[in-house]
Amino acid sequence: AQSVTQLGSHVSVSEGALVLLRCNYSSSVPPYLFWYVQYPNQGLQLLLKYTTGATLVKGINGFEAEFKKSETSFHLTKPSAHMSDAAEYFCAVTFGYNQGGKLIFGQGTELSVKP
Amino acid sequence: DAGVTQSPTHLIKTRGQHVTLRCSPISGHKSVSWYQQVLGQGPQFIFQYYEKEERGRGNFPDRFSARQFPNYSSELNVNALLLGDSALYLCASSVGQGPYEQYFGPGTRLTVT
Repeated sequence: AQSVTQLGSHVSVSEGALVLLRCNYSSSVPPYLFWYVQYPNQGLQLLLKYTTGATLVKGINGFEAEFKKSETSFHLTKPSAHMSDAAEYFCAVTFGYNQGGKLIFGQGTELSVKP
Repeated sequence: DAGVTQSPTHLIKTRGQHVTLRCSPISGHKSVSWYQQVLGQGPQFIFQYYEKEERGRGNFPDRFSARQFPNYSSELNVNALLLGDSALYLCASSVGQGPYEQYFGPGTRLTVT
C-alpha cells in the first residue's frame, strides 16, 4: 500500500540551528513529493515539490529537500531556523500523473523554535 | 488575485443533520479536491473533481458527496452527521488533474454536537 511516514511528531530547535524534518514514503511506482506548511487556524501552503528532474529541490523561505529513491526519503531541511518557522509541516505524495489531485499526507511534524 | 475561498468559516451542527460546504477555486483552475483534517492529524483525501467530473474518491462513506459546477466551484455535502465528522474541511484547487501545485483554502471548521 502507498503511504507516507513522518518521523517525529514534534521537533524542537534553537533559533539559528539546522532544521531537519524527516519523510519516508512507500510506493511501487515513482512518486511526486511535496512539503506543505500549516500555521495555526490556516490552510496549507506549499513549500516545495519534486516531480521530475533534479533531486535537490529548493523552496520558499530557505527550505530545501532531497529526493533519495534508494532510501525512499524526501527530508526537509533549512540551514538556520527562524522564529517564524514555527508551524506544522506535512509531507505529501501522489502517485501517477492522473492521481495528481489525490495527495496522501503524513501525520505532520510540529516544529518549535526556541529563542 | 483571489485565492481559494471557502464558506462558511465555521459552523456547528447536530448529529443526524446535513451540511453543505462551498469552495471557489482560483480563477483558471479546473480541478478541485476536498480533504478532511481531524485535529492532530494530516489531511485525508475525500474527492477530486476535474472538468465537472469525479476523478478520485477517498475512503469515505456514501454519506459524503460532492459536485463541481460549470464555473468550477464545488460543494461538499455530508448527510447524517456523526460526531466523528467534526474536523477542518479543506478545499484545494489546481490547474489540472496532474501533479500540479494544489492551492489550499483556509478551510471550514465543522463541529458536530
